[in-house]
Amino acid sequence: GQNIDQPTEMTATEGAIVQINCTYQTSGFNGLFWYQQHAGEAPTFLSYNVLDGLEEKGRFSSFLSRSKGYSYLLLKELQMKDSASYLCAVRDSNYQLIWGAGTKLIIKP
Amino acid sequence: IAGITQAPTSQILAAGRRMTLRCTQDMRHNAMYWYRQDLGLGLRLIHYSNTAGTTGKGEVPDGYSVSRANTDDFPLTLASAVPSQTSVYFCASSDGQGAGELFFGEGSRLTVL
Repeated sequence: GQNIDQPTEMTATEGAIVQINCTYQTSGFNGLFWYQQHAGEAPTFLSYNVLDGLEEKGRFSSFLSRSKGYSYLLLKELQMKDSASYLCAVRDSNYQLIWGAGTKLIIKP
Repeated sequence: IAGITQAPTSQILAAGRRMTLRCTQDMRHNAMYWYRQDLGLGLRLIHYSNTAGTTGKGEVPDGYSVSRANTDDFPLTLASAVPSQTSVYFCASSDGQGAGELFFGEGSRLTVL
């Protein structure tokens, strides 16, 4: 079956760096997405990786290793507003997104 | 403001009732999707439409139906609601180009009693 694994919850301190991991096993691979979802709100797009390596976008970076079925989202200079759930999703061979359950990130002052 | 509009935002429904969740987008995206989100689970695809006039079944289609009469509208109907359909429902769209990221509506919280 298809499976996306990510930690359920993480805690970090304001101003620090946190890495959220995602491992996947899917039927085919056509890209990996990270979304941010604040409590009670809709998910919003953060990043997309289709080739191996690091994609940087401001304070957020996303890394992909297709051979290892692994990705991480790196958040730098954490701010209180970064408290949210972070969703990892893989687009499979049918171009449908398979979603992880999300990682709830708690930022403490 | 361009985007996706869902209605209603919240609804309490008696089991056995028929319910339609509305979704409208003004971005002229070809593809549209309905997901449900439950605690501890990832978003699960109910139905999708790659273009107006076509629909397809997702991971959890039973008990739900959709139609796509035009590009902008993609309603989701629960013919006879059951308590297990209590969830938050998100409509999304994508243009299918490049990364093809999804744009989500604000969600519809449905409680079936």
